[in-house]
Amino acid sequence: EVHLAESGGGLVQPGGSLRLSCAASGFTFNNYAMNWVRQAPGKGLQWLSIITGSGGNTYYADSVKGRFTISRDNSKKTLYLQMSSLRVEDTAIYYCVKARGMTYYNYHMDVWGNGTTVTVSS
Amino acid sequence: QFVLTQPPSVSGAPGQRVTISCTGSNSNIGTNYAVHWYQQLPGTAPKLLIYDDISRPSGVPDRFSGSKSATSASLAISGLQAEDEADYYCQSYDSSLSGWAFGGGTKLTVL
Repeated sequence: EVHLAESGGGLVQPGGSLRLSCAASGFTFNNYAMNWVRQAPGKGLQWLSIITGSGGNTYYADSVKGRFTISRDNSKKTLYLQMSSLRVEDTAIYYCVKARGMTYYNYHMDVWGNGTTVTVSS
Repeated sequence: QFVLTQPPSVSGAPGQRVTISCTGSNSNIGTNYAVHWYQQLPGTAPKLLIYDDISRPSGVPDRFSGSKSATSASLAISGLQAEDEADYYCQSYDSSLSGWAFGGGTKLTVL
């Protein structure tokens, strides 16, 4: 069974840093691009970042560019999100999401983790 | 604020058919980028419902269907059931953002 399990969320002060992890199982991890998507309390979904299967290419939403870094360790089947300069508005549930599709611009998100909660507050 | 616009809410009685629209522009749906739909039940993670405009993953009932025309897409749900009460999101690639965009979401209430 395909499964994604996020960890690493918690309470952090504004300006602080946090690293999220996502352990993947049940599929050939290095064959698929992976995303991070977040959902602020009571709000909709926001795509944050994607990394190709090899890890050679990464892309970010403007709202996190320069502050967040996506990476992966294919030998450990693990996806990461390093978050720095955190702001109150970064408070959200962060989902690890598997991408699927024939071309990158037609990617859909076929498997979602249960999410990990990040709270940025003083 | 959102490049993909959805109505905040829709409602219908059990057994009825409802549609949820997703209006985009020439930088996303109008460029023929695929539209995908997700269902988020209360307190759970989103789940893929429709991909590539019209395709259903295995396990999704055929009561759910997708369509696309010009710069808009729609999700139709027929034979409404109480368990369909959820938030629904459309998603597509946007060339002006150089990234993937979600609509603002639509809350479906089954009366």
